Amino acid sequence: GAGVSQSPRYKVAKRGQDVALRCDPISGHVSLFWYQQALGQGPEFLTYFQNEAQLDKSGLPSDRFFAERPEGSVSTLKIQRTQQEDSAVYLCASSLGSAPGNTIYFGEGSWLTVV
Amino acid sequence: RKEVEQDPGPFNVPEGATVAFNCTYSNSASQSFFWYRQDCRKEPKLLMSVYSSGNEDGRFTAQLNRASQYISLLIRDSKLSDSATYLCVVTFNDMRFGAGTRLTVKP
Repeated sequence: GAGVSQSPRYKVAKRGQDVALRCDPISGHVSLFWYQQALGQGPEFLTYFQNEAQLDKSGLPSDRFFAERPEGSVSTLKIQRTQQEDSAVYLCASSLGSAPGNTIYFGEGSWLTVV
Repeated sequence: RKEVEQDPGPFNVPEGATVAFNCTYSNSASQSFFWYRQDCRKEPKLLMSVYSSGNEDGRFTAQLNRASQYISLLIRDSKLSDSATYLCVVTFNDMRFGAGTRLTVKP
């Protein structure tokens, strides 16, 4: 497809369960971002990749959160031992260039509900 | 203090009104600035970039004041379709979003 693709679109997890969220960026895009958006809030930065290198993971809220992009294309955000406060929309975005300031394009998000 | 702060809103205005949103940022080394629009239950989409000289796109005007670390968005002759949340975005090494300002334009 032409846009950023995320899966699953919707996920209901039981508290304590591990989840994996996938992001397929736009082909050829160097930069990839993950954001967490709670209801009524703006997107909160989680982590940033430039190709396969994770340049910034300062936004990951705890060591239960882990992201990877091993071949510089598809990325996975993994959340271990999910908690209710992890319920949010997880947005992936990509941009063509490596410098911040390039337009970023978002996927439709993965809506996670932890019960 | 959050890195990017916006007017809390919500703004409820009649069609045809002019409305302005403000945003302040804390990192003086920030490099690029944008306004994104987010519709309910949709992903954010770029509305416009913001330049020091100010820029206009139809009914939308964006201004940047680096000295005051302040960004604004002005919407003239507002339409029903302008109803959305407007997100201020600031970049340094990555892109940081404000919490958003919700606008509702009423008939």
